Amino acid sequence: GAGVSQSPSNKVTEKGKDVELRCDPISGHTALYWYRQRLGQGLEFLIYFQGNSAPDKSGLPSDRFSAERTGESVSTLTIQRTQQEDSAVYLCASSLGPGGGTEAFFGQGTRLTVV
Amino acid sequence: AQSVTQLDSQVPVFEEAPVELRCNYSSSVSVYLFWYVQYPNQGLQLLLKYLSGSTLVKGINGFEAEFNKSQTSFHLRKPSVHISDTAEYFCAVPGAGSYQLTFGKGTKLSVIP
Repeated sequence: GAGVSQSPSNKVTEKGKDVELRCDPISGHTALYWYRQRLGQGLEFLIYFQGNSAPDKSGLPSDRFSAERTGESVSTLTIQRTQQEDSAVYLCASSLGPGGGTEAFFGQGTRLTVV
Repeated sequence: AQSVTQLDSQVPVFEEAPVELRCNYSSSVSVYLFWYVQYPNQGLQLLLKYLSGSTLVKGINGFEAEFNKSQTSFHLRKPSVHISDTAEYFCAVPGAGSYQLTFGKGTKLSVIP
């Protein structure tokens, strides 16, 4: 596609339910990132995928969070047993490859509300 | 450790006035610096980036930023703002792995007609 696509754009879920967020990166981009943006806060790094290498999961806040990516395509971020503090905008980004100078392209985000 | 400090959480400014959004960084690796803009209900968009070379970097929408190594700053400036510049602006630096970006907490720019 022309840009990074995320779905759903909005998700309201009950506390304790599991949710799955989807990200379609730009075709050809080997690197994919997930960030969390809480109200009034900056972006918090969650997880990074680069090609077929083992993902960097160092930013995941708890074992309720997990993410998968198949090859260099779609990624899903799963949150199990959601809590109210999980309410945030979840942003996905992709880039051509690793390297600090590579531009990351962001999707519009999924706004998750846990009630 | 890499970190970014955005000194102002909110900046109101009148239309056609100049603006400066401040960013200070600390980094133990080669310095790359970015400014991203987030319009309401949208994702982030790259405004400009410093990788090397000239310390004055020009970006989209008339914005520019100056890399100052001695002051560890990368302030964003625009000589005359428009209503359409109302958005949140994020300064960022690559993390320890030199790939994932570490973002500041953002500065909300409000342009007043």
